[in-house]
Amino acid sequence: SQTIHQWPATLVQPVGSPLSLECTVEGTSNPNLYWYRQAAGRGLQLLFYSVGIGQISSEVPQNLSASRPQDRQFILSSKKLLLSDSGFYLCAWSVGGFTDTQYFGPGTRLTVL
Amino acid sequence: AQKITQTQPGMFVQEKEAVTLDCTYDTSDQSYGLFWYKQPSSGEMIFLIYQGSYDEQNATEGRYSLNFQKARKSANLVISASQLGDSAMYFCAMRESLSYNQGGKLIFGQGTELSVKP
Repeated sequence: SQTIHQWPATLVQPVGSPLSLECTVEGTSNPNLYWYRQAAGRGLQLLFYSVGIGQISSEVPQNLSASRPQDRQFILSSKKLLLSDSGFYLCAWSVGGFTDTQYFGPGTRLTVL
Repeated sequence: AQKITQTQPGMFVQEKEAVTLDCTYDTSDQSYGLFWYKQPSSGEMIFLIYQGSYDEQNATEGRYSLNFQKARKSANLVISASQLGDSAMYFCAMRESLSYNQGGKLIFGQGTELSVKP
């Protein structure tokens, strides 16, 4: 069966520091991968998605970036964090097809101070 | 513009009773998919049920069913026989322009917080 991992689970970082969040998927090949952000008490907003290695689509212009160095690895990065980057970051995967249901990881709660 | 609206910020239901969570959507596409997710306090988003725009029958998954009214652009989630473990945030989401392996994004509503009373 497929599983998705995210780490770290929680992170507290100062403003201006770098960021690296990692997401890996097991049990499937060539998944579509997604990064979402959820502000407190709000719905999810798509940040990036990838349909293959090295293929990244950005949905929201910001100081974040994403990379997919391996088939089942998706990384969210920032060179300098802003206060507004605080939130709950969720990684998701799907295997395409007509339904293309997305399945989410456990998330990373980021607090920027 | 594509949009999902959940008008109920919070709902209460008695244990063992049924509850309906409302969701309306706006799209100009003919081909789209509607999803419901559950988010317990732990934060993980759990997929519950899917309805395609061309599906003629309402989707069902165990105690979950989706009341799909295409003309009204509504996709309400019905939970039968509520359990204490159903207390969580529930999100409705939509994906437009379905095509094979498009890798399309989900648009989420603001969510409804459901509390099940013993």
